[in-house]
Order: sequence, then structure tokens, then C-alpha cells
Amino acid sequence: SQELEQSPQSLIVQEGKNLTINCTSSKTLYGLYWYKQKYGEGLIFLMMLQKGGEEKSHEKITAKLDEKKQQSSLHITASQPSHAGIYLCGADFRWGKLQFGAGTQVVVTP
Amino acid sequence: NAGVTQTPKFQVLKTGQSMTLQCAQDMNHEYMSWYRQDPGMGLRLIHYSVGAGITDQGEVPNGYNVSRSTTEDFPLRLLSAAPSQTSVYFCASTTGPHGYTEAFFGQGTRLTVV
Repeated sequence: SQELEQSPQSLIVQEGKNLTINCTSSKTLYGLYWYKQKYGEGLIFLMMLQKGGEEKSHEKITAKLDEKKQQSSLHITASQPSHAGIYLCGADFRWGKLQFGAGTQVVVTP
Repeated sequence: NAGVTQTPKFQVLKTGQSMTLQCAQDMNHEYMSWYRQDPGMGLRLIHYSVGAGITDQGEVPNGYNVSRSTTEDFPLRLLSAAPSQTSVYFCASTTGPHGYTEAFFGQGTRLTVV
């Protein structure tokens, strides 16, 4: 979706290092979703953020939504091989129209 | 709970053929959507529905039709398949206006048009 910019497009990180993925929109986001996808498989729900300034964590993954509700970041601490995959951010811009960014491919090297 | 069920999982079509991709959810969700996923393109919204009888176009609606006669079902119709419609298709559902929750996805349909 051109309304949702995701960066970087891909990244390679050494095992044990941190990484951050960004998701940006020029419009206010009503519900921001993060999903993970293994190649050729379905989507795994990670987190959903709704309120400006909200932050959620699960295991080594933390997601934040800025106060203006136009930008979100996903941060992975001490990456592991299991963190490899495609990360997708999605947002509800208005009544039920859920759109996604182009995705970030994460490769974790030994 | 079955969640979101998509059928078929794989399909090969000849150019010009028509077919319907089925999507059903048993969670009484009001919002349902169809996406296609192509390499490097993320998920692109084809059509979506905010309730029975209500549908709207997404980013890439051309060549596809939808209808929503019941809350549970949201089929996607390819009218005359083209090679450009070769893709992986995902259906999703969410609760709707009563509060945002996780968007549940089907397992996908891998469609090849030859």
C-alpha cells in the first residue's frame, strides 16, 4: 500500500544483534497490526496497537505506536534464527479498510 | 474454532477461465477482506466488506468480484483469469466497529494462471 511505508525492505542481522523495522503513514492509523510470515506460509499475528504512545512487548519483540498515531516501530532484541521471516505492518485507515505495507524480509546469520 | 477457512489451497487455471475462491469465518466477524500477495509487494487489498450486503473496492479490484450475502461467507470471483492474476490470495476477518482485535487470516490460496 502506498499509504503505508515500511522500511527497510530487507535486512540482514547477525544472531544476537538487535533490529528495528519502521512503518510510517501520512494519515492517522486506527489500529496498527504487526504480522510475521515464513516464506510460503500463512501470517502469524504478533501485536496490535491502538492508542497513541502505546507500547507492547512479547518475548523479545517490542512494538510502539507514536503519539500522533502515524508511525510504528517493531524492535527485536538479541535476534535468533527463529526471528527470520517477512514482517508486515498493517493499518486500518477507516471503516474496515485494512491495508498493509510491502513487508520487511529479515535474515538472521550465525 | 475453525477461524477463517479458505478453499482451495492450490489451483491452476487456464487463461480465460473463471473460478471462485471461497472464504468462510465462524467468529461472527463483521469485517472481511481479500488480499493478494506477490513477491516484494506485501499484501494488496482487493475488496473488503464491513457487513452482509456491503462491499467496497480496495487497491487492486480489477478482474475480481465479491459479494457478501451472509456474515460468514465472502467469496472472491475471478471473472476471466489472466496470467497477471497468478498470486497467493489471503482472506481475513476482524470484529469490526465494536473494537479492534487481531485480524484473522486464512491459510491462503496459491493460484497459477497459465
